[in-house]
Amino acid sequence: DQQVKQNSPSLSVQEGRISILNCDYTNSMFDYFLWYKKYPAEGPTFLISISSIKDKNEDGRFTVFLNKSAKHLSLHIVPSQPGDSAVYFCAASDNYGQNFVFGPGTRLSVLP
Amino acid sequence: DAGITQSPRHKVTETGTPVTLRCHQTENHRYMYWYRQDPGHGLRLIHYSYGVKDTDKGEVSDGYSVSRSKTEDFLLTLESATSSQTSVYFCAISGYGISYEQYFGPGTRLTVT
Repeated sequence: DQQVKQNSPSLSVQEGRISILNCDYTNSMFDYFLWYKKYPAEGPTFLISISSIKDKNEDGRFTVFLNKSAKHLSLHIVPSQPGDSAVYFCAASDNYGQNFVFGPGTRLSVLP
Repeated sequence: DAGITQSPRHKVTETGTPVTLRCHQTENHRYMYWYRQDPGHGLRLIHYSYGVKDTDKGEVSDGYSVSRSKTEDFLLTLESATSSQTSVYFCAISGYGISYEQYFGPGTRLTVT
């Protein structure tokens, strides 16, 4: 059973609009979460993180929201740009960042 | 960009042969990780290291071994490669205790025929 789920394999958004990528998890002990972006033939690149003591973290165009009661987090990208087209992974840790479990990824396409 | 390199970047090998992948870092980070990426599975942890000569198993460790004799190098060995080990392998490092994010290398594409 996957502990971290990203139920949308792909998402298409118009340039300038908001992109919302979702992630659900099953382990209530997860206490730290990361989002990564991955371009083809490259390693994943860290985007933004959030700990379980917060419900929101912002960094420029990227905002992550955490709903612990629903075991759900989301990444908002506003405004979306064509360069944001990539695969996005969420990851969760239950030992405060020592090891992470990754979701299967969502492929975001931002259309010009 | 974090200083992480992986070698080789591409390799084709035959079933039953041993293969070693190398990860090298220049950040002096304590934690190093090996993952494999397969469609529909995201990134799955194979082994990780929390210091020189200190390693532990991850989610998909069967058929793999690791060694870390120096802070900067983490080796992943496929003792007898199988077609199911065809994958893209990523190394990552973490300054755990200072920051929690993991930083990834460029990956090694391994094909076992």
